Amino acid sequence: DAGVIQSPRHEVTEMGQEVTLRCKPISGHNSLFWYRQTMMRGLELLIYFNNNVPIDDSGMPEDRFSAKMPNASFSTLKIQPSEPRDSAVYFCASSSSGQPQHFGDGTRLSIL
Amino acid sequence: QKEVEQNSGPLSVPEGAIASLNCTYSDRGSQSFFWYRQYSGKSPELIMSIYSNGDKEDGRFTAQLNKASQYVSLLIRDSQPSDSATYLCAVAKLWGGSQGNLIFGKGTKLSVKP
Repeated sequence: DAGVIQSPRHEVTEMGQEVTLRCKPISGHNSLFWYRQTMMRGLELLIYFNNNVPIDDSGMPEDRFSAKMPNASFSTLKIQPSEPRDSAVYFCASSSSGQPQHFGDGTRLSIL
Repeated sequence: QKEVEQNSGPLSVPEGAIASLNCTYSDRGSQSFFWYRQYSGKSPELIMSIYSNGDKEDGRFTAQLNKASQYVSLLIRDSQPSDSATYLCAVAKLWGGSQGNLIFGKGTKLSVKP
C-alpha cells in the first residue's frame, strides 16, 4: 500500500513568494495532520483535519499560513508571503479512527 | 511547563547493551502514548504504541507506561548500531473516539557504539 505522499520533496524559493505544499493521505484514513519540524522547536502540529473538516488550527503560526482539504485524498498547506523563518521540514501525517499516525517523507523548505 | 519532556541526549550505549529512553507528560487526560524513531533526514516512524499501564513488548522493544507518575519509557534490548536515531515520545488525547493531535517531545538522540 502507498504511504502518505508529499510533494515537493524540496523547495527553495525567495522571500515573499507563495509556497504550496501538497499531501495525499493513505487511502481510507479520515484524519490528516500538518506538522513543522525545526531544530529549535522540534515537531509542532500546525493543523489537523477530521473527515476533511479542520478541527484544530491553533498551531498555525499566523495568517500567512493556510490549509485546505477539498476532498479525502488531497490537502494543501500554503504560505503567502513566505519568510526566511518559515524554513523547516513540513510533514503531513494521516490516520484512521483510533489508530496511530503515519508520516510522509516531508518537504524540506528553504526560504532565501 | 512543557507538555512532553525528554532528555535531549545524546545517549550513548555500547552495542548489545540496553538503551533506556524516558519521557514525562503534563496532561493527566492523555490516553494514548507512542514512540517514534527518526533517522537523520527522514520522517518519524512509529515503533511502539501503549494505552494502558504496564509493559508492552515487541521484539527488542519494551514500552512502559505509568499514568500515576505521568511517565513513559522505551527500553531497547541488545542495542544495535542501526538503532542509532532520535526517538520521539508522543502523547495524545482522544477526541470523539478518534485520535486527536499528538504532542511530541523534542526527542532523545541515541547513539549505539560498535
